[in-house]
Amino acid sequence: SAVISQKPSRDICQRGTSLTIQCQVDSQVTMMFWYRQQPGQSLTLIATANQGSEATYESGFVIDKFPISRPNLTFSTLTVSNMSPEDSSIYLCSVEALGRGTDTQYFGPGTRLTVL
Amino acid sequence: GENVEQHPSTLSVQEGDSAVIKCTYSDSASNYFPWYKQELGKRPQLIIDIRSNVGEKKDQRIAVTLNKTAKHFSLHITETQPEDSAVYFCAASAWGGGSQGNLIFGKGTKLSVKP
Repeated sequence: SAVISQKPSRDICQRGTSLTIQCQVDSQVTMMFWYRQQPGQSLTLIATANQGSEATYESGFVIDKFPISRPNLTFSTLTVSNMSPEDSSIYLCSVEALGRGTDTQYFGPGTRLTVL
Repeated sequence: GENVEQHPSTLSVQEGDSAVIKCTYSDSASNYFPWYKQELGKRPQLIIDIRSNVGEKKDQRIAVTLNKTAKHFSLHITETQPEDSAVYFCAASAWGGGSQGNLIFGKGTKLSVKP
């Protein structure tokens, strides 16, 4: 499976600021996704990062709050904008491997965000 | 849209016993059902998956069964070991026919295996 890294691994931020999380894959992948996992909870899909076009957001998530970039087949960023304590979560990227089953997802290590 | 229910939310077993976790889904178009294991502070790891053209799949001590008619699938772990202790998530997606195949996750089961 692909090797997926995320930066930063964790951060503590002040409310009202923004944080950009990077997701890097060691091989080209078809699909990249961003999830949120609140403490002790399940995984919720934020959006699908589309290469060369705007991300596709799930209900309850908007581009102004979570802008996403995907400039190529191995890299994506998620920005958490104008943060509040409710944004404290683990943010994970996941990928579907190119040439493999079109629906098998592998997760990055996650970014643990704390907003004060 | 798809809804995935997972039971139980917590499960405690003695080492060597079997553990069973059950999930139901609502969308009959769902055709892919993975299971993830998440240890404390770590990423979810895919441990086994099944597609709708198969009724059962095994990998050593882990097996998954699928009943498409009843729209439920289960994870079976035999001869449990302390290192099986983790949170397990089921998920469902419908791929093909233009769908993005987004995974919808259950709420998770915290499995504790007592030595």
